[in-house]
Amino acid sequence: NAGVTQTPKFQVLKTGQSMTLQCAQDMNHEYMSWYRQDPGMGLRLIHYSVGAGITDQGEVPNGYNVSRSTTEDFPLRLLSAAPSQTSVYFCASSPSEYQPQHFGDGTRLSIL
Amino acid sequence: GDSVTQMEGPVTLSEEAFLTINCTYTATGYPSLFWYVQYPGEGLQLLLKATKADDKGSNKGFEATYRKETTSFHLEKGSVQVSDSAVYFCALNGGYQKVTFGTGTKLQVIP
Repeated sequence: NAGVTQTPKFQVLKTGQSMTLQCAQDMNHEYMSWYRQDPGMGLRLIHYSVGAGITDQGEVPNGYNVSRSTTEDFPLRLLSAAPSQTSVYFCASSPSEYQPQHFGDGTRLSIL
Repeated sequence: GDSVTQMEGPVTLSEEAFLTINCTYTATGYPSLFWYVQYPGEGLQLLLKATKADDKGSNKGFEATYRKETTSFHLEKGSVQVSDSAVYFCALNGGYQKVTFGTGTKLQVIP
């Protein structure tokens, strides 16, 4: 009964490095999303996917890439890390367009 | 675009006090509305939801009513407990899981 699994839980990067945040769900949900959470700003949508092979940009997509080759996985790639990308990142999934989302426990990312 | 405004915190209450956290929204169409709760070090969990006007969502003693005329979805609980201490987020889903969150309200309940 894993739900939404995010790895790693913590990561420290240097400016300019690249990395991939992993997200996997075992509920066969079509919809998946990535958010970043910053103090005083709530959660902001980075990218989302409505099914395998289909992704779209959210509110703050710059500096991030996504792909969705399977229903289960939705990795988030930081191409060239910047200090402004220091944040807590959450992945979420949902079975349909209007249903509530299930969240992972987050990845805490610091960029020096 | 869609937006959610919720009252700023932190909110500090004594155990058994009445809780209200205000939430108003702007959206086109007929969004679904949610309250999520986040405990320290964890992801968000659904607390309650409402999918159409006048729906009342309820869970664990918390309630919120979807008021289209005032574009509001205020969270209430009659008697809070220390275990309710957390951050509460109001959110709307305007479709395709493009969800807009409020900034969150931290609740601290003291014995």
